[in-house]
Amino acid sequence: TQLLEQSPQFLSIQEGENLTVYCNSSSVFSSLQWYRQEPGEGPVLLVTVVTGGEVKKLKRLTFQFGDARKDSSLHITAAQPGDTGLYLCAGGAAGNKLTFGGGTRVLVKP
Amino acid sequence: DAMVIQNPRYQVTQFGKPVTLSCSQTLNHNVMYWYQQKSSQAPKLLFHYYDKDFNNEADTPDNFQSRRPNTSFCFLDIRSPGLGDAAMYLCATSSGMRPSSYNEQFFGPGTRLTVL
Repeated sequence: TQLLEQSPQFLSIQEGENLTVYCNSSSVFSSLQWYRQEPGEGPVLLVTVVTGGEVKKLKRLTFQFGDARKDSSLHITAAQPGDTGLYLCAGGAAGNKLTFGGGTRVLVKP
Repeated sequence: DAMVIQNPRYQVTQFGKPVTLSCSQTLNHNVMYWYQQKSSQAPKLLFHYYDKDFNNEADTPDNFQSRRPNTSFCFLDIRSPGLGDAAMYLCATSSGMRPSSYNEQFFGPGTRLTVL
């Protein structure tokens, strides 16, 4: 069974600070996705990474896929209150399924 | 805009009273999923359809059923809701065209179910 562990579980920071969320596994994933979910809404896909060592940027968000495709990180620069939400990493699994990490709740205070 | 729609957004039912949640998609995706999510936890897959092929997760209770009458619509039926079934229910789709281990899923806004 493939498992994904996210850390930290909860992060509270002030507006303007930087933050990093980690997603780790002992298994290799062919792809890894990051979602952000705001309270009362469904998860929204932010990015998909598929190549070991890949780095993708989405405005102030930087996503990295580990060389061995077992881990990933999400870095937010100069966080804003609009970045508040539940961040989920998910690895592509066989049978058209995703293996989700446990999620990281991020709170950015103004 | 192509999207995943869930109705209703909020559903209140009584203990033991059957309830149906609906999902529709305009993405023309082959795969549709139903997830259960409880407070700030990761979504838990209940089952999914690849076209008309139904795939149940081993730990999904028999109380939960699903129907997919056509490509666009999928329903979640909870036959006898218990208090523990109160949760957010998420519908998602994926194209199913890529290799099955590289599938981006697109989620609807969810239905918040309350059981009284």
